[in-house]
Amino acid sequence: SQTIHQWPATLVQPVGSPLSLECTVEGTSNPNLYWYRQAAGRGLQLLFYSVGIGQISSEVPQNLSASRPQDRQFILSSKKLLLSDSGFYLCAWSVLRGRGQPQHFGDGTRLSIL
Amino acid sequence: QQPVQSPQAVILREGEDAVINCSSSKALYSVHWYRQKHGEAPVFLMILLKGGEQKGHEKISASFNEKKQQSSLYLTASQLSYSGTYFCGTEGGSQGNLIFGKGTKLSVKP
Repeated sequence: SQTIHQWPATLVQPVGSPLSLECTVEGTSNPNLYWYRQAAGRGLQLLFYSVGIGQISSEVPQNLSASRPQDRQFILSSKKLLLSDSGFYLCAWSVLRGRGQPQHFGDGTRLSIL
Repeated sequence: QQPVQSPQAVILREGEDAVINCSSSKALYSVHWYRQKHGEAPVFLMILLKGGEQKGHEKISASFNEKKQQSSLYLTASQLSYSGTYFCGTEGGSQGNLIFGKGTKLSVKP
C-alpha cells in the first residue's frame, strides 16, 4: 500500500533563517506531488505541484521554492523565512493519470516563525 | 476561483442530519470531499465525477450537479466522530489540481 511521509512534524525557526521540508511517497511510481499551506483556521492553498522529476509548477508568487530530485521525493525550501511563512504545510500525492484522482495527504509540518 | 462552501459552521446533536454545500462559478470535472480533524491532515472521503453520480461512505453521501456546478455532502445520523472541518476541492483543469473551499466546521455534541 502507498504511504506518504513528511518531516519534521513541528518546526520553530527565526525570521531570516533557511527552510527545508521533505516529503517522500512509498508504494507508487510517478505520482503527482503537491505542497499546500494552511494558515490557522483557513483553507488549503496550493503552493506547488509536480508531475515528474525536475518538473515544478508554482501556483502563487512567494518566498518559497520546491524541488523534486527523485521520483518520490518532494522538497519545500526557502532561503530566508518571513513571519508570513508560518502555517501548516502539507504534502500530498495522487496517481499520475490525469483528472479525477483523489489526493492523499501527509501528516503535515507545523511551522512557526519567531 | 475558490468554491464557496455553506454553511461556515454547524453544530449538531448526535443522531441529527446535516448538509454541506459547495458551489463553483466554473465548469467542473470533479468534486472531492475531505474531512480534517483539529491538528491533523485532511482525509479523503469521496470523489464525484462529471456525470451527476451520487456516492456514499458509511452514513456520509454526496451528490454532484454538474449543470449547477454544485455538490452537496449529506451526513445522516451524525456521530461524535464526524466532528471536524469538511473541505470540498473542485477540479476543472487538465492537471488534476484542486481548488479548496474555506471549509465547514462541523461539531457534533452528545
